[in-house]
Amino acid sequence: NAGVTQTPKFRVLKTGQSMTLLCAQDMNHEYMYWYRQDPGMGLRLIHYSVGEGTTAKGEVPDGYNVSRLKKQNFLLGLESAAPSQTSVYFCASSYDTRAQYGYTFGSGTRLTVV
Amino acid sequence: AQSVTQLGSHVSVSEGALVLLRCNYSSSVPPYLFWYVQYPNQGLQLLLKYTTGATLVKGINGFEAEFKKSETSFHLTKPSAHMSDAAEYFCAGTDSWGKLQFGAGTQVVVTP
Repeated sequence: NAGVTQTPKFRVLKTGQSMTLLCAQDMNHEYMYWYRQDPGMGLRLIHYSVGEGTTAKGEVPDGYNVSRLKKQNFLLGLESAAPSQTSVYFCASSYDTRAQYGYTFGSGTRLTVV
Repeated sequence: AQSVTQLGSHVSVSEGALVLLRCNYSSSVPPYLFWYVQYPNQGLQLLLKYTTGATLVKGINGFEAEFKKSETSFHLTKPSAHMSDAAEYFCAGTDSWGKLQFGAGTQVVVTP
C-alpha cells in the first residue's frame, strides 16, 4: 500500500550513541517532515524538506541532523543521543507547500535513550 | 505565528453520548485546519479537513467539525460515541509557510 514507511519501529540507545532513522514515501511527495511526539506537547517539528537536496530547521532542531539525497527518502540522524531525545518520532509527507491535503504520516519510531 | 489550542487534555464520554473536542486557532488569516486521530501505537490518521468553502466539514467514522471564523474555532463532534472512538485526537492548522502546527492533543476515553 502507498504511504510512508519508517524504520526501525523501536530502538534503545545508550547515551552518546548515534543512529539514523529512515523515512521512505512512495507517493512522489515533494515535502517531508520529521516530528517528535512527547506527552502533553503534541507534535513538534524537528526538520523538514521542500525537495530533494534541501532541508530546513523546524521548531526543535538541536541535536538532530537530516538529509534528503533522494526524493523518496528523508533521514533523521542523532549524532550523540541524550535522554532528552527519548520520544516517538514521526515522519510525514505532503503533496504541496500549503498542505491543503494534509500530511500522510508514518507509524512512528519509539526511541528510548538510557 | 499560528498556534493551535485544544481545550482539555482528557475527555471521558459514555458510549452513545455526544463527543465534543474543542480547538481554537490564533492566526488572523484563516488557515487550513485539520483533525487527526491516533490509535495506540499507531501513526496519525486524517479525520477531516477544512480548506475553503463549506464551514461544516464531515469526516470519517461519523465525525464532523465546524469552522467558525468569528470564534476562531474548529470544534470536533460526533453525535454518538462508540468504544472504538477511544484514541488521542489532534487539531492542527497551517502556519504562514504552510507547515502544520499541532495542538497538544486530547485523549478520549469511552466508558460503557
